[in-house]
Amino acid sequence: DQQVKQNSPSLSVQEGRISILNCDYTNSMFDYFLWYKKYPAEGPTFLISISSIKDKNEDGRFTVFLNKSAKHLSLHIVPSQPGDSAVYFCASLSGNTPLVFGKGTRLSVIA
Amino acid sequence: NAGVTQTPKFRILKIGQSMTLQCTQDMNHNYMYWYRQDPGMGLKLIYYSVGAGITDKGEVPNGYNVSRSTTEDFPLRLELAAPSQTSVYFCASSLSDRQSNYGYTFGSGTRLTVV
Repeated sequence: DQQVKQNSPSLSVQEGRISILNCDYTNSMFDYFLWYKKYPAEGPTFLISISSIKDKNEDGRFTVFLNKSAKHLSLHIVPSQPGDSAVYFCASLSGNTPLVFGKGTRLSVIA
Repeated sequence: NAGVTQTPKFRILKIGQSMTLQCTQDMNHNYMYWYRQDPGMGLKLIYYSVGAGITDKGEVPNGYNVSRSTTEDFPLRLELAAPSQTSVYFCASSLSDRQSNYGYTFGSGTRLTVV
């Protein structure tokens, strides 16, 4: 039973436009959420995170939104750049538990 | 600063063979993890450790063993390799059970094929 769901396997966006990656979760105990970025043949790297006590966190071109009532979070990238092309993983945890990851969304930014 | 180092990067095993995937971190992190990633799937937790001498099972521990004798090292052992263990294996570490801003630090992975 998937606790973290990324229902879009892939997304294509034109350079300069907004990329929106979505993530849903089922475990109401999750209280911290992270996004990771992964390039081929590399390990995932941390991108941005948000605590359940917030509904928005911004870091440069990257913003994560959290809607607890809907158990939904999204990652916005504005403006999108070709170097943003990668697989993005949503991950969540509660208390002392290890991170639970979604299946990932492959973002392609087209120049 | 090397971060998390995994060796080997690639390995082909025959069914029934055994091997150890090595993982070392130089950041003095207490927590270490092993995940596997199958094609089109997310990362699934195999085992994790909250400190030297302490290990615990994750979501998919069958067919694997781990040990944590030092803070730096967290090797993953496959005793009887099976085709279902063909995957990319990632080791990760973190300062505690939770880092407020930076999450886990991952190694670059070991691509294992069992034939």
